[in-house]
Amino acid sequence: AQSVTQLDSHVSVSEGTPVLLRCNYSSSYSPSLFWYVQHPNKGLQLLLKYTSAATLVKGINGFEAEFKKSETSFHLTKPSAHMSDAAEYFCVVTYYNQGGKLIFGQGTELSVKP
Amino acid sequence: GAGVSQSPSNKVTEKGKDVELRCDPISGHTALYWYRQSLGQGLEFLIYFQGNSAPDKSGLPSDRFSAERTGGSVSTLTIQRTQQEDSAVYLCASSLATGSGFRAFFGQGTRLTVV
Repeated sequence: AQSVTQLDSHVSVSEGTPVLLRCNYSSSYSPSLFWYVQHPNKGLQLLLKYTSAATLVKGINGFEAEFKKSETSFHLTKPSAHMSDAAEYFCVVTYYNQGGKLIFGQGTELSVKP
Repeated sequence: GAGVSQSPSNKVTEKGKDVELRCDPISGHTALYWYRQSLGQGLEFLIYFQGNSAPDKSGLPSDRFSAERTGGSVSTLTIQRTQQEDSAVYLCASSLATGSGFRAFFGQGTRLTVV
């Protein structure tokens, strides 16, 4: 079955240091990939998406992700963490042959220490 | 409204009772999705609609769960004879169409607590 795996359930960084949240997807034809963020008691918000254009995707709040087909990865990065980045992050994939059904990773909780 | 609206935002119900959760998608969005998020778990797909039909119901956990969509707009998710394991946040999302790459917009969710 097609799936997406977030390699870390919890990541903790210090404010001002880089953030790396890892995501791998099962190989398939024409995946589209998304990162969503969920702050406590709030709905999901789209950070960025990849849909077969540029492999380096820039999103909101300074986040970016790089699509690497050879590694089937779509890791989320940010050069410098801010306290407000503390949240749950979901990597999501859709496949052309599945009618756009969103397949979610298990989520990574990001903690930011002062 | 401009976004996906879900109601109620919170629901506490007694075990064995039926509940109905409502989702109002963004106007013009033909695709509508239901997910649930249990404590400490990722998002679990339940069902999605394309218009009024549901091509994929594979995520509904049991026959106590059903969903319908009328007029290509509002959807209701019904849980009959609720159990404590049904406690979760139920999220609805809509998108302009199905198909890879269409961004989904999410509602705030309904927090269901079965006591």
